[in-house]
Amino acid sequence: GAVVSQHPSWVICKSGTSVKIECRSLDFQATTMFWYRQFPKQSLMLMATSNEGSKATYEQGVEKDKFLINHASLTLSTLTVTSAHPEDSSFYICSAPQGYTDTQYFGPGTRLTVL
Amino acid sequence: QKEVEQDPGPLSVPEGAIVSLNCTYSNSAFQYFMWYRQYSRKGPELLMYTYSSGNKEDGRFTAQVDKSSKYISLFIRDSQPSDSATYLCASTSNDYKLSFGAGTTVTVRA
Repeated sequence: GAVVSQHPSWVICKSGTSVKIECRSLDFQATTMFWYRQFPKQSLMLMATSNEGSKATYEQGVEKDKFLINHASLTLSTLTVTSAHPEDSSFYICSAPQGYTDTQYFGPGTRLTVL
Repeated sequence: QKEVEQDPGPLSVPEGAIVSLNCTYSNSAFQYFMWYRQYSRKGPELLMYTYSSGNKEDGRFTAQVDKSSKYISLFIRDSQPSDSATYLCASTSNDYKLSFGAGTTVTVRA
């Protein structure tokens, strides 16, 4: 099956700093990737759609200036949480569609803790 | 109203039992239906994918879709302790954006 990786798997940062999370499709190309946020014991909430070569599309209520998305290549999308605050602490997961059915494959997630 | 509603559980069953998980959806545009398994602090893993009404079987797993009633089910036969996880149903139309259910946490007791 298709493999999606994320880096880092866990990051702790101070309030006010910025954190970059990478999402890579390892064995396939993805012109589109998705970023989700998941709070403890809750389901995944779609934050934004990352598009290679164009601007990301954000879901309602997601601040685009706070969550910067860059789809630098066909295998890499990055999410930067700018001026992070404790309420941004969460589990961030990316996914990419692959194959003729565009089945979504998920990365292992990145746990962000903002102190 | 959420587009996908899932029985929240949690569910605890003895080893070897059949696990039954259910979801309903409200968006008539949804055409594709998936079940994901998520272990604690890990990303979701695709278990089943289907796009038509009826049953789809893969080993011990059976996915069932009834588009007329907008009902999705997953059955796990001969459940094992390693099946203990959170199971998420998801649906989408043609835009690849997934709408997830809340997830059901399953514990299989040895």
